[in-house]
Amino acid sequence: QVQLVQSGAEVKMPGASVTISCKASGYTFTDHDINWVRQAAGQGLEWMGWMNPDSGDTGYAQKFRGRLSITGDTSTRTAYMELRSLTSDDSAVYYCTRGWDPWGQGTQVTVSS
Amino acid sequence: QSALTQPPSTSGTPGQRVTISCSGSSSNIGNNFVHWFQQLPGTAPTLVITLNNQRPSGVPDRFSGSASGTSASLVISGLRSEDEATYYCASWDDSLSARVFGGGTQLTVL
Repeated sequence: QVQLVQSGAEVKMPGASVTISCKASGYTFTDHDINWVRQAAGQGLEWMGWMNPDSGDTGYAQKFRGRLSITGDTSTRTAYMELRSLTSDDSAVYYCTRGWDPWGQGTQVTVSS
Repeated sequence: QSALTQPPSTSGTPGQRVTISCSGSSSNIGNNFVHWFQQLPGTAPTLVITLNNQRPSGVPDRFSGSASGTSASLVISGLRSEDEATYYCASWDDSLSARVFGGGTQLTVL
C-alpha cells in the first residue's frame, strides 16, 4: 500500500536548521508531487510547499520563501524538507503528503533554547 | 487568517445529518477542486472527499461533498460517534500559487 514514513522528532535551538525526511513506498515516486504541511499545537493546517520528484520543480508558500528547501532523491524514493533560521514559532508537527493523500505520520519539531 | 472560511465548531446527535461549510473565492474554490480531510486527535489528516465530491476507497458513503460557485460543503449522514474529529477543507489558490486550507471545524457527536 502507499505509505510515507517520516524521520523522528527533532529539538532545535533558535537560529538552527532542521531537515526532515519522507520515504515513500507502494507507488512510483516520480508520478506524484510531494507536499509539506505543518500544524502548530492546537492550530490548523498550514501548507509550506511542494516538489515534483520527476522534474525537481518546487513551489513555496510566500511566508517560507528564502528559508525553506524541498528536495528529493529518486534513488531512495525520499523527499526532504529543510527549514532554516528556526524560531519558536516554527515549533509544530510537520507532515509530508503525496499529492493530497496519503500523509506521513508527522514529525514533531520543537524549537527551544 | 485562512483563505478558506469554515465554522469553528458544529455538533450533532447519532444518526443525524450534519453539514460543514467552506467559503472561498474565485481564485480558489471558484476555479479549483475542493478536498476534505478528517483529523482525529493526535493523528495525521486523512482524505474523506476529493475533487469536490469523490470518496476515496474505504470512506463510508455517509460522507458526501459538493461545491458551487465559491463555496463547498461536506455532509455527514447517519452521524456516528467515530465521526467526532476536526474537518478541514482545502483547495489550490491561483492568486497565491499555493494550497490553502480552511481553519478547521471541530465536530462533536453529542
